[in-house]
Amino acid sequence: GAVVSQHPSWVICKSGTSVKIECRSLDFQATTMFWYRQFPKQSLMLMATSNEGSKATYEQGVEKDKFLINHASLTLSTLTVTSAHPEDSSFYICSADRSTGELFFGEGSRLTVL
Amino acid sequence: LAKTTQPISMDSYEGQEVNITCSHNNIATNDYITWYQQFPSQGPRFIIQGYKTKVTNEVASLFIPADRKSSTLSLPRVSLSDTAVYYCLVGPYNTDKLIFGTGTRLQVFP
Repeated sequence: GAVVSQHPSWVICKSGTSVKIECRSLDFQATTMFWYRQFPKQSLMLMATSNEGSKATYEQGVEKDKFLINHASLTLSTLTVTSAHPEDSSFYICSADRSTGELFFGEGSRLTVL
Repeated sequence: LAKTTQPISMDSYEGQEVNITCSHNNIATNDYITWYQQFPSQGPRFIIQGYKTKVTNEVASLFIPADRKSSTLSLPRVSLSDTAVYYCLVGPYNTDKLIFGTGTRLQVFP
């Protein structure tokens, strides 16, 4: 079964609103989680590294004030897309390291901004 | 992290063996090679990981030559459900920060 779960799996919102996506590690603790974005027919692009108890580390070109990341516990990281616009419509995927040599990815969350 | 190069797409038929090759000329001594599979609208799923020679599990084999500058993912007797994008990634063992390349889009036909 899934070891990393995302919620919601899809969301539609109006332009200008904020959307929160949750990423949970189900049966293990993850001090570090990662957030990716994927546009249609393209590869995954790493957005940021979410660190439990500290600030997230953002990749170059990713606006930290736009994509708020909170890693409040060892099993939960949240990504909030603030003031969403149609160009933010994408597939957002999180991952967590279980220290087994492989990363576990969530099911993904498809955001559509109207 | 070493950059990887893969074919953009491949076609195959059910029951055939599929070999997807990945080039990683700048692989470092402590880098491992890992392959992930991604279905549409799903997160990637781990397939196999290796360091050198050959690794086999219940779904695939991974062949790595002595110079480790390339690797080949082998899928035996593919089925329609193997239609997906396959990503080759290179990095230290237990690396948590993965940089995805373009991947190979495999289409399996009946």
